[in-house]
Amino acid sequence: KAGVTQTPRYLIKTRGQQVTLSCSPISGHRSVSWYQQTPGQGLQFLFEYFSETQRNKGNFPGRFSGRQFSNSRSEMNVSTLELGDSALYLCASSSTTGNEQFFGPGTRLTVL
Amino acid sequence: GIQVEQSPPDLILQEGANSTLRCNFSDSVNNLQWFHQNPWGQLINLFYIPSGTKQNGRLSATTVATERYSLLYISSSQTTDSGVYFCAVGSNTNAGKSTFGDGTTLTVKP
Repeated sequence: KAGVTQTPRYLIKTRGQQVTLSCSPISGHRSVSWYQQTPGQGLQFLFEYFSETQRNKGNFPGRFSGRQFSNSRSEMNVSTLELGDSALYLCASSSTTGNEQFFGPGTRLTVL
Repeated sequence: GIQVEQSPPDLILQEGANSTLRCNFSDSVNNLQWFHQNPWGQLINLFYIPSGTKQNGRLSATTVATERYSLLYISSSQTTDSGVYFCAVGSNTNAGKSTFGDGTTLTVKP
């Protein structure tokens, strides 16, 4: 079975721009969660989608948003980028019945 | 929310030595995972262990849910074991969210 894939792997943007990141879960997995990893804050939960519905949200500003499509692929969007948004963004998928999460390789975003 | 504390924050070993990493959590959890983060940032699943003991080669893990801690044992460490080890916990009441500790950075010297 193919693992979780994320695109793009690397991204450089400037302040004020917006960015969209994509995550394809493991086939058959319907839950997708997003995390932000920074040296200062560690790994922090952004939000989780299940069957196209956001079920849970972390403590991030409204500039961070996401969605999930009918094939379980998910996208997250960050608008009006700030320098502090530079981070590794990780997505994880899990099955309907299980809680074990499997992570993708991440997208490394640099905001200049 | 749930707090997760990992210890020690840093660990330096000679190749061949054994080590124990600890994860304490502040509330009841339904799931607990151990990960190894490789130099490129990917989180590699080591164990899914909400309770009990599991072993996989030189690695083993034990979670005592009633006492709110988990231990990861690495035996006969190799230089390739170097990296950051994370413990992550979650509960059924908090859909899809794992709370991570700050990690233990392991350096294995040849």
